[in-house]
Amino acid sequence: QLQLQESGPGLVKPSETLSLTCTVSGGSISSSNDYWGWIRQPPGKGLEWIGTIYYSGSTYYNPSLKSRLTISVDTSKNQFSLKLSSVTAADTAVYYCARHPSIVGAPGWYFDLWGRGTLVTVSS
Amino acid sequence: DIQMTQSPSTLSASVGDRVTITCRASQSISSWLAWYQQKPGKAPNLLIYKASSLESGVPSRFSGSGSGTEFTLTISSLQPDDFATYYCQQYNSYSGTFGQGTKVEIK
Repeated sequence: QLQLQESGPGLVKPSETLSLTCTVSGGSISSSNDYWGWIRQPPGKGLEWIGTIYYSGSTYYNPSLKSRLTISVDTSKNQFSLKLSSVTAADTAVYYCARHPSIVGAPGWYFDLWGRGTLVTVSS
Repeated sequence: DIQMTQSPSTLSASVGDRVTITCRASQSISSWLAWYQQKPGKAPNLLIYKASSLESGVPSRFSGSGSGTEFTLTISSLQPDDFATYYCQQYNSYSGTFGQGTKVEIK
């Protein structure tokens, strides 16, 4: 059974870089049918798609975060990672990694499998 | 960006009630809409995709309808496990946006 698990520091200082990793277990990140994404949720607020990567390394970023964002994949470790630079308190959120299936004909994607999420607080 | 607006923001209902949540898109998204359920401290769980397709394992009391700009999620008979927050998400573009959520509370 495929599972996703986020890991990384729970506290990041303002202006520094937030780094998280998602480990995929029970299946291969190199599946041709799947894309891998990051979504965040500030405390008490709604959901925001951050970005997505395919196992080949192709990336898709939320335009509002693109200038600060890097998403990468390590197929040998079955992991993908998020780096968000120059963080502020507004980046405090629960960060989820998720899978979305390749959907023939669809312009975008939905998320059918989620990690449990990890809270990242930006504070000095 | 396509804006998604859900109504109501909060809904009070009793076990056994029929519940309907509405999601409106700022422009046509065809049927590229998903619905999720989220419980406190948990990740969202996919309920519906392509506006009306039920995700495997989701109870049949959940149903979705609509196309273009107006969509609904219906719970035919509310169960205790259904008290949660529900989100719609458009995927008409790769930068898919979510609605602000509808919290279903116990009346």
